[in-house]
Amino acid sequence: KNQVEQSPQSLIILEGKNCTLQCNYTVSPFSNLRWYKQDTGRGPVSLTIMTFSENTKSNGRYTATLDADTKQSSLHITASQLSDSASYICVVMTNTGGFKTIFGAGTRLFVKA
Amino acid sequence: SQTIHQWPATLVQPVGSPLSLECTVEGTSNPNLYWYRQAAGRGLQLLFYSVGIGQISSEVPQNLSASRPQDRQFILSSKKLLLSDSGFYLCAWSPIRGAYNEQFFGPGTRLTVL
Repeated sequence: KNQVEQSPQSLIILEGKNCTLQCNYTVSPFSNLRWYKQDTGRGPVSLTIMTFSENTKSNGRYTATLDADTKQSSLHITASQLSDSASYICVVMTNTGGFKTIFGAGTRLFVKA
Repeated sequence: SQTIHQWPATLVQPVGSPLSLECTVEGTSNPNLYWYRQAAGRGLQLLFYSVGIGQISSEVPQNLSASRPQDRQFILSSKKLLLSDSGFYLCAWSPIRGAYNEQFFGPGTRLTVL
């Protein structure tokens, strides 16, 4: 069964600290993996997208990694800011006669001053 | 550039009343269109997707229906709302020939059924 599991469910960190969010998937065949940021009451916004051959991709203070062998991805946030408080959603796409998207439940991040 | 609009932004409706949520996309042609629902603290659930005018695929059986009367317009409807229809509804689009089929989301509609 195609699944995407994220951990932790929620996380509280102090402003300026780093954090890492995890995503494990059992999706096959794998097409690509994306991380989205969703502010409360808003639509998700794409942060990074990685294909099978990409191990890491950065977008400012956000760095995503992908290990296609172990089917794991992480999103590392450096020097967190209050505006980083949001839900972070891992999304894996499979291509089986047409693209199918599997969403993780998200990690809720709270950055405190 | 492409933009996606949803309205209304928030809606409070009584049980048994009808529903119509609208989504429009600008700046692109023949996009794939999607309706998602997000319950509080839960992940996104795909409700419907459309690859063209009048072509609707339903992912889960439910009290809702979708229509695509124009190329860049996607409507989510219900004849009689249930309490369980409450949630955050997101419309998304993706380019029909995009390399990664990346989806771009609208601002969402918060629906509360009382």
